[in-house]
Amino acid sequence: AQSVTQPDIHITVSEGASLELRCNYSYGATPYLFWYVQSPGQGLQLLLKYFSGDTLVQGIKGFEAEFKRSQSSFNLRKPSVHWSDAAEYFCAVGPITGGGNKLTFGTGTQLKVEL
Amino acid sequence: GAVVSQHPSWVICKSGTSVKIECRSLDFQATTMFWYRQFPKQSLMLMATSNEGSKATYEQGVEKDKFLINHASLTLSTLTVTSAHPEDSSFYICSAWDRVGTEAFFGQGTRLTVV
Repeated sequence: AQSVTQPDIHITVSEGASLELRCNYSYGATPYLFWYVQSPGQGLQLLLKYFSGDTLVQGIKGFEAEFKRSQSSFNLRKPSVHWSDAAEYFCAVGPITGGGNKLTFGTGTQLKVEL
Repeated sequence: GAVVSQHPSWVICKSGTSVKIECRSLDFQATTMFWYRQFPKQSLMLMATSNEGSKATYEQGVEKDKFLINHASLTLSTLTVTSAHPEDSSFYICSAWDRVGTEAFFGQGTRLTVV
């Protein structure tokens, strides 16, 4: 069965500081990996995804993530955090075919940005 | 990009009544949609997979008779919470993959409060 672990429930960083949100997955085959962001009371917005190819993927809002197969990880990074980045971040895994298949989400990491 | 619209954004209903939530794919057809439930400060839990023209597939532990799903067209899936009780209060989010199956789009969510 597939699963996703986000070890950090809450993270607080100062504005301008770098950020790394951890994500570990368990999946029986090559996974399809996602990072989503959710603002309070809102749906989910896709930040980036990994399907194949270059293991370092670039996303929106200056985010990037690196797929490390040997560590079963897909950590999200941003070199300089902005106050508007405060939100809930979810890592998700799904089958490589995507389409009509369901995603499994991690428990999320709440990011707080100190001014 | 593809857009998934959910309506209403929030609803308050009395115990014992039923509430219908709509999920529409605005610019693409979705033979499959997904319904998630999210408790405060928790992750998304898949409730069911909505299949156009056929019965929905429910996850283990989800009451089929309480959460009625109808996917009557390629652009609309509805979730009806029947005989709602306060414990059904939650944030409900729908999702659909784009045409090529590379990205899952999410509705903005519906906050249900049962009083």
